[in-house]
Amino acid sequence: GAVVSQHPSWVICKSGTSVKIECRSLDFQATTMFWYRQFPKQSLMLMATSNEGSKATYEQGVEKDKFLINHASLTLSTLTVTSAHPEDSSFYICMILGTSGREQYFGPGTRLTVT
Amino acid sequence: AQSVTQLDSQVPVFEEAPVELRCNYSSSVSVYLFWYVQYPNQGLQLLLKYLSGSTLVKGINGFEAEFNKSQTSFHLRKPSVHISDTAEYFCAVSGGFKTIFGAGTRLFVKA
Repeated sequence: GAVVSQHPSWVICKSGTSVKIECRSLDFQATTMFWYRQFPKQSLMLMATSNEGSKATYEQGVEKDKFLINHASLTLSTLTVTSAHPEDSSFYICMILGTSGREQYFGPGTRLTVT
Repeated sequence: AQSVTQLDSQVPVFEEAPVELRCNYSSSVSVYLFWYVQYPNQGLQLLLKYLSGSTLVKGINGFEAEFNKSQTSFHLRKPSVHISDTAEYFCAVSGGFKTIFGAGTRLFVKA
């Protein structure tokens, strides 16, 4: 199966700064990647669908200007949290689908703490 | 659109006892169903999945689940749990594109 990596695995930043999180598909060309957010002791919530070469599709309630997604290549999608605030502190996880749409490959996640 | 309901937020059970974690879903299209486990401060690990075929699915660590289309359920079972099974378990449903997760069930195995 595909191997998905995320960088960084954890990051601490000050309120008001921006943070970029990378999601890489190491051995699979992913036209679509998904970004999830998980607050402490909660479930995973889909934030957006990242499509290679086009604009991301955001779920209802997710601010597209705050969470900038760029899917510039078939192996890399980035999520930038702009002007981060403490309420953005969360676990961010990316996922890709296999070619048949039936296989799911999750990244290990990035823990963001905004102070 | 799909939705997933995990009926129990917490399930305490004694070591070596059987356990069932319940999951119901709704969807207007055929779905794929998944169970994931998450240990503290870690990512998701796939336990098992139902894509098609046999409704009884066997996964890792002795877990199994049964897809029941008429009851729209996909309950997870293990005949004898270990302390190390203490974790958060998520049921997920996919219509072939987006994947939606249930709220999670915290399995707590007591000695």
